[in-house]
Order: sequence, then C-alpha cells, then structure tokens
Amino acid sequence: EPEVTQTPSHQVTQMGQEVILRCVPISNHLYFYWYRQILGQKVEFLVSFYNNEISEKSEIFDDQFSVERPDGSNFTLKIRSTKLEDSAMYFCASSRGQGAANEKLFFGSGTQLSVL
Amino acid sequence: AQSVTQPDIHITVSEGASLELRCNYSYGATPYLFWYVQSPGQGLQLLLKYFSGDTLVQGIKGFEAEFKRSQSSFNLRKPSVHWSDAAEYFCAVGDYTGGFKTIFGAGTRLFVKA
Repeated sequence: EPEVTQTPSHQVTQMGQEVILRCVPISNHLYFYWYRQILGQKVEFLVSFYNNEISEKSEIFDDQFSVERPDGSNFTLKIRSTKLEDSAMYFCASSRGQGAANEKLFFGSGTQLSVL
Repeated sequence: AQSVTQPDIHITVSEGASLELRCNYSYGATPYLFWYVQSPGQGLQLLLKYFSGDTLVQGIKGFEAEFKRSQSSFNLRKPSVHWSDAAEYFCAVGDYTGGFKTIFGAGTRLFVKA
C-alpha cells in the first residue's frame, strides 16, 4: 500500500527557533493535511491544502504556522517561532479527493516535535 | 459543534476474549464515521468507515463497527482479540463544514493480557 512519508521522526528545538516539518504525500493525491496530537490529548486538525492554497485552517493554525508545497512532491509545515506548547506529534495526511465518501485518508507516521 | 466522545481511556482484555470499544458522536447531519488504529511509532491506520447503507460495517484485521443513530454511537467490536491488537484506537467523524476535516476522539488505549 502507498505511504505518506514524514521526516524527521523526531525533532528537538529551542523555544523561539523556526522548525520545518516535512512530508511526502502519496504521488497522485491532491489534498493535504496537517494534524497534531499533544501528548495524552486528541488528534487535532490544523490545516488542509489544495491547489496550492489553504482550504481550511483551525484556530490553532495562527500566524506562526505556514504550509507550503515547494516542489510538487513535498508538503511542509513551518513554525516560525516555536513555543513550549507546540511540543506534539505532528501528522501529515493526504487523499486523492476531498471528502470521506469515496476517499481514504492516508496518514504518515508522524514527527515528534519537542520544544525545550 | 461536531464532536466525538470515547468514554474509556484504556481497556484491558485477555487474549482471545471479545472486545467492544465505545464511541459516541455529535453531528447535525448524517455522519461519516471512522475508526483508526495507532500502533506505537506508527501513523494512523484506517480500520473501517461508515457513510450510509448497512449499519454494520466490516473492516480490516477482523474488526467491525455498528452505527446506531438512535444512540449516536459507533462502537468497534472484535470477537477474539490477539496480542497484536494492543494499540490506541481513535473514533472519528468527518466534518464537511468549510472544507473536509476529520474530528477525532481522545482515543482508547487497548491492553491485551496473555
């Protein structure tokens, strides 16, 4: 089965530093997502992306966050100035089409971000 | 607002015993419902999904779930649990307000004892 690939698997950074989390979605997919899971809490939606623009974003996705598809294969999440509360597991996901009816959402294995 | 509740934080069952993980949802229209499993160090894997039709849905790894509109529930079941089923299980609902996104429950950690 095709896979969504995320790198790195673990990222440690100092508070205030910028981080970029990388994802390679499945090649023929058109919709891309970032979710995060703070330890012991729910998996939360951050942002969806289609046709090189953000489709929807949650309240969590403030001005410190940005997403980009720089080269047609990678999908990145940037946090400009990390805060302690950004420590979480970040999941990338992709689907061929939008919506749940006929599409399967594929998740990557996540990047564990630790902000010190 | 759409929400998903998984009332059990963790459950322990004996290998070979049956399993039922509870899930209740809140959604204004006909829900799209999912169960995902997360093994340690792994991503989220879709077990099964419900959109319409037969309210008993079969999934991978021998799991099934039953949609009960009257109870706003979508409980996951397996007749005989294997040690490899130990993982975190997430119930989720598809939300079509705005674009499409998945709203997850808090998860239930399944422990399997020999």
